[in-house]
Amino acid sequence: AQSVSQHNHHVILSEAASLELGCNYSYGGTVNLFWYVQYPGQHLQLLLKYFSGDPLVKGIKGFEAEFIKSKFSFNLRKPSVQWSDTAEYFCAVNANNNDMRFGAGTRLTVKP
Amino acid sequence: NAGVMQNPRHLVRRRGQEARLRCSPMKGHSHVYWYRQLPEEGLKFMVYLQKENIIDESGMPKERFSAEFPKEGPSILRIQQVVRGDSAAYFCASAAGRNTGELFFGEGSRLTVL
Repeated sequence: AQSVSQHNHHVILSEAASLELGCNYSYGGTVNLFWYVQYPGQHLQLLLKYFSGDPLVKGIKGFEAEFIKSKFSFNLRKPSVQWSDTAEYFCAVNANNNDMRFGAGTRLTVKP
Repeated sequence: NAGVMQNPRHLVRRRGQEARLRCSPMKGHSHVYWYRQLPEEGLKFMVYLQKENIIDESGMPKERFSAEFPKEGPSILRIQQVVRGDSAAYFCASAAGRNTGELFFGEGSRLTVL
């Protein structure tokens, strides 16, 4: 079945640690890829997106993601996390002009 | 993002009652999506609507759930005869067009069924 998979349900890091959150999808064809973030008590907001071009995408707050087509992956990275990055992160895919589908989310807890 | 307005933010219902959740999209947006968020399950697509039309309701339960987006007024997600399993956060998102990229989310409506 077509899906978006986020394998890490809960990640706990100390401040300044590096972050990588995995996202894999099973859709073929043309895909648009997104990462959304939901800070505690807030709505979801866009972190970054990939439509085409450079597969390394820069987003807000120092986040980046790399689209690796051969691996059907779009992992999110940040070299050095901060306590304020504590949030839930959702990968989303919009494939073949169909509607956006989200992964189950990864909860990131950053210890001060 | 204050553009997408959802109300109520919190709703408590007893089993068997009806729940109505409202969503006003961002100004200029005519496309509305509803998602349900359950603990440990992330966001589940429910329905996609344009003004006066349901485009994709493949994520909606077959019974008790309905959605509309009238020509005037907000989009409404209606849950009849609620059960405890309906307790969740329901998020609305709007877009300027289908598959235009970014969805703009509201702050969600949290339904608690007693």
